[in-house]
Amino acid sequence: NAGVTQTPKFRILKIGQSMTLQCTQDMNHNYMYWYRQDPGMGLKLIYYSVGAGITDKGEVPNGYNVSRSTTEDFPLRLELAAPSQTSVYFCASTPPGTSRKFFGPGTRLTVL
Amino acid sequence: GIQVEQSPPDLILQEGANSTLRCNFSDSVNNLQWFHQNPWGQLINLFYIPSGTKQNGRLSATTVATERYSLLYISSSQTTDSGVYFCAVDPGNTDKLIFGTGTRLQVFP
Repeated sequence: NAGVTQTPKFRILKIGQSMTLQCTQDMNHNYMYWYRQDPGMGLKLIYYSVGAGITDKGEVPNGYNVSRSTTEDFPLRLELAAPSQTSVYFCASTPPGTSRKFFGPGTRLTVL
Repeated sequence: GIQVEQSPPDLILQEGANSTLRCNFSDSVNNLQWFHQNPWGQLINLFYIPSGTKQNGRLSATTVATERYSLLYISSSQTTDSGVYFCAVDPGNTDKLIFGTGTRLQVFP
């Protein structure tokens, strides 16, 4: 298994641009999550999904959108990038029957 | 909402030393996990420990749920233990982890 994979690894955006951060897991996990980590801080939950077709907001959802059309993929969309969205974005998933989270390698996003 | 506080914020050790990291949380939790974020940013799940004690090699963790704290012990520290250690809790059966601000550990040879 490749585990949780994220693309791209790095990205620089201009204010107002849009982009999609990709997250894929090949472990057949139902639960998937998007977190952001600002410098020197812990992670904050943006959105999560308990299965295909079901998504819900976390602590800091404003400025983001998600979709979950398949079990494997959970993309995160930024529509109008702002400097406040400069952060490292982590995707995670949880196997059924446990609460242990497994994280992807992260996407470092800078908005200038 | 629930507050998660970790101490100390920074810790500097020489290789071979032992250390204890603490996580206090302000409300009862159903889920508590410890993570290590290495210097390259990768997050590794160390323990899932809502209560009791677990050990994995040189690392062990204890959670006393009734007193709302958890401890992570690192024995015979190595330079590869450097990084940031996060405690994260789920206050309800929502599976949405709330992270503390972390303890930054630096181990020197």
